[in-house]
Amino acid sequence: AQTVTQSQPEMSVQEAETVTLSCTYDTSENNYYLFWYKQPPSRQMILVIRQEAYKQQNATENRFSVNFQKAAKSFSLKISDSQLGDTAMYFCALGAGGTSYGKLTFGQGTILTVHP
Amino acid sequence: GAVVSQHPSRVICKSGTSVKIECRSLDFQATTMFWYRQFPKKSLMLMATSNEGSKATYEQGVEKDKFLINHASLTLSTLTVTSAHPEDSSFYICSAMDGRSGNTIYFGEGSWLTVV
Repeated sequence: AQTVTQSQPEMSVQEAETVTLSCTYDTSENNYYLFWYKQPPSRQMILVIRQEAYKQQNATENRFSVNFQKAAKSFSLKISDSQLGDTAMYFCALGAGGTSYGKLTFGQGTILTVHP
Repeated sequence: GAVVSQHPSRVICKSGTSVKIECRSLDFQATTMFWYRQFPKKSLMLMATSNEGSKATYEQGVEKDKFLINHASLTLSTLTVTSAHPEDSSFYICSAMDGRSGNTIYFGEGSWLTVV
């Protein structure tokens, strides 16, 4: 069974500052993917960043980057230069590779509030 | 870009009736779609995997006779909540994979179901 744990129910940050959201996971798979999704009040799930487990290099997407520690099964998200539009619920998710790709296990979520 | 559309976005039904929610991939074919359920301020829980032309695969604890899934075409999966009860009230969200773009996963906008 796969599990994803987000231990920060809520986080807040000042506009333009940096914040890091934590995520740990557990899986017996060797081939898997990790994701961070953003869910604003509209409830639309928006992909923030994706990391393939076989890649050692940490994924980055503009202001968003991850710290992927495979041995520790840790996958944190760093948001730099936080903007008001970053306010949302953030979910860490884990998906197996192969034929199970697309079946995602989500963490409990972290509500991020960016203050002006 | 690829879009996954859900309909209706909001529905209210009477207890004991059935309600159908549609999930469409608008510009790509999706042989596999996924249905999730989300309670307010909670995580997404995978309910089932919808497979085009074959039976859906349900997660443990999900009643297959209550949550009927049909994936009759490569662009449409439907979730029917049968004999709905107030405890079925929730946010239901689907996802689909676009194989053209490295198996990118796209989520629908979600559907709010309220059973009164």
